[in-house]
Amino acid sequence: TQLLEQSPQFLSIQEGENLTVYCNSSSVFSSLQWYRQEPGEGPVLLVTVVTGGEVKKLKRLTFQFGDARKDSSLHITAAQPGDTGLYLCAGGAGSARQLTFGSGTQLTVLP
Amino acid sequence: NAGVTQTPKFRILKIGQSMTLQCTQDMNHNYMYWYRQDPGMGLKLIYYSVGAGITDKGEVPNGYNVSRSTTEDFPLRLELAAPSQTSVYFCASSLKGMDAGKGYFGPGTRLTVL
Repeated sequence: TQLLEQSPQFLSIQEGENLTVYCNSSSVFSSLQWYRQEPGEGPVLLVTVVTGGEVKKLKRLTFQFGDARKDSSLHITAAQPGDTGLYLCAGGAGSARQLTFGSGTQLTVLP
Repeated sequence: NAGVTQTPKFRILKIGQSMTLQCTQDMNHNYMYWYRQDPGMGLKLIYYSVGAGITDKGEVPNGYNVSRSTTEDFPLRLELAAPSQTSVYFCASSLKGMDAGKGYFGPGTRLTVL
């Protein structure tokens, strides 16, 4: 069974601060995705990275896939209250084209 | 464009009762998935389908059944509800598989078994 560990589990910061969320595994994944989930809703895809060492930017969010395709990070610059939510990483593998999800990081950005 | 719809949104069951969680997508996606999410946890795959008439087990299939008679619909059946099945259930669909990106989740069904 492939496992993805996310850290930290909870993060509470002030508006304007920077933060990084980590997603680590001992397994190699064909792709790594990051989702954001708000209360009462399903996860929404933010980004997919597929190449080792790949870096993608989405406004104030920067996503990186590790060189060995076993880990990933999400960095948010100048966090805003609207960034509050549950951030989930998910690794792609297997013939079912399915995803293995991490346990999530609950981010709270205080105004 | 409705995307992925799930019904009901909430449900309370007694132990031993049965129910079907409905999932429909209007994007003509081949791949459909059922996940469950327990409090403070990530999502675990229950069952998946790569096309009409084809289904297979995921990581936690015990106590559930599925069918895929059409491309659009992928219902999840609970035959004998147990407290351990209290969770939020998400249906998802994708054209080429969730790992390729561009997967879409429904809004979820919150199920409580008492």
